[in-house]
Amino acid sequence: NAGVTQTPKFRVLKTGQSMTLLCAQDMNHEYMYWYRQDPGMGLRLIHYSVGEGTTAKGEVPDGYNVSRLKKQNFLLGLESAAPSQTSVYFCASSQAAYDTQYFGPGTRLTVL
Amino acid sequence: AQKVTQAQTEISVVEKEDVTLDCVYETRDTTYYLFWYKQPPSGELVFLIRRNSFDEQNEISGRYSWNFQKSTSSFNFTITASQVVDSAVYFCALSERPRDTGNQFYFGTGTSLTVIP
Repeated sequence: NAGVTQTPKFRVLKTGQSMTLLCAQDMNHEYMYWYRQDPGMGLRLIHYSVGEGTTAKGEVPDGYNVSRLKKQNFLLGLESAAPSQTSVYFCASSQAAYDTQYFGPGTRLTVL
Repeated sequence: AQKVTQAQTEISVVEKEDVTLDCVYETRDTTYYLFWYKQPPSGELVFLIRRNSFDEQNEISGRYSWNFQKSTSSFNFTITASQVVDSAVYFCALSERPRDTGNQFYFGTGTSLTVIP
């Protein structure tokens, strides 16, 4: 039982490049989330999903897209990376809206 | 406006001292949940506690205790006899009824605790 896993752990991009972050959970959770963590700002919600095939915008969705084609996977895409997207990205999952969110180990992304 | 406020940005204590981390939240919902997470230097986020809005009983788990007071919208976290391994950033979070769009899970900005040996 791996819980929530994220791929990759680290990545360096040049401005304008694209990439996809993969989140996978093996807890059969309905809800999945993508956050970014920046110094002094806590965690901010980018996008989330309440079930397979659904996505919704969070607090800071601009510049990101997501897809939830399978219940266990939640993908976060950056179509044209910008230095402002340098951050640590966390994926989380929960069984329901109010439930505890369990987090992946994070992906450290640097955009030069 | 901040939904969850952790006014203490950084705290340093000497090992074996007690320390309280403050959390003040804002919501109009009658049903909501409060959480504490720990983020050690290794970076992962570790769940500590979940408390619903109808349960104001204080909770104790080993050296950790939580004080929930709806009258002051606070959910404070106390570590008794602190240890070096308690050094971490601690986040308080609020979960309220999902709206049509946007957030329903809000994190505070965190309190960085350093325990000095």
